[in-house]
Amino acid sequence: AQSVTQLDSQVPVFEEAPVELRCNYSSSVSVYLFWYVQYPNQGLQLLLKYLSGSTLVKGINGFEAEFNKSQTSFHLRKPSVHISDTAEYFCAVSEPGGSYIPTFGRGTSLIVHP
Amino acid sequence: DAGITQSPRYKITETGRQVTLMCHQTWSHSYMFWYRQDLGHGLRLIYYSAAADITDKGEVPDGYVVSRSKTENFPLTLESATRSQTSVYFCASGRDPPYNEQFFGPGTRLTVL
Repeated sequence: AQSVTQLDSQVPVFEEAPVELRCNYSSSVSVYLFWYVQYPNQGLQLLLKYLSGSTLVKGINGFEAEFNKSQTSFHLRKPSVHISDTAEYFCAVSEPGGSYIPTFGRGTSLIVHP
Repeated sequence: DAGITQSPRYKITETGRQVTLMCHQTWSHSYMFWYRQDLGHGLRLIYYSAAADITDKGEVPDGYVVSRSKTENFPLTLESATRSQTSVYFCASGRDPPYNEQFFGPGTRLTVL
């Protein structure tokens, strides 16, 4: 069965600093990986996804993530954050050809300070 | 309007009452989902549907009922609301494999007194 661990529940950072939000997954087969963002009082929206191909995936708002199969990780990075990046970030995994139902991590709260 | 909508956005009810949360999507996605979001628990799947007239339980289905007579609608009913069902409820629709990504509604904040 697949599972997702987001190692940090909260990440505080200053504006214009780089940030990395960590995500590790557990699965016995190949996977699809996703990062979603949830701004206050809103639903989740897709930041980026990895289905196959290049392990470096670029998403919206300057975010990128790298799929590392040997370390079963899919960490999210941004070289310079803005106040507006303050939000909850969720990593999710699903299995191609499996049940389709994605498994979500518990989320990481990114707090950007001025 | 295109997209996925939920109604109502806010609801206050009393213990024991029946409540129905509505979800409507305009993309004709096959899959639809209901989640609840609670502090410390992240997102938990209540029910999902792979197509009209096909539904299945998720992680926390007890106390909830769903139906899907039309592809675009996926209502969630709390038959007899309890205080533990106070939560924010999100509906989502999903693109077919291999894309698998989900599109979320804005949420319904439900308070059970």
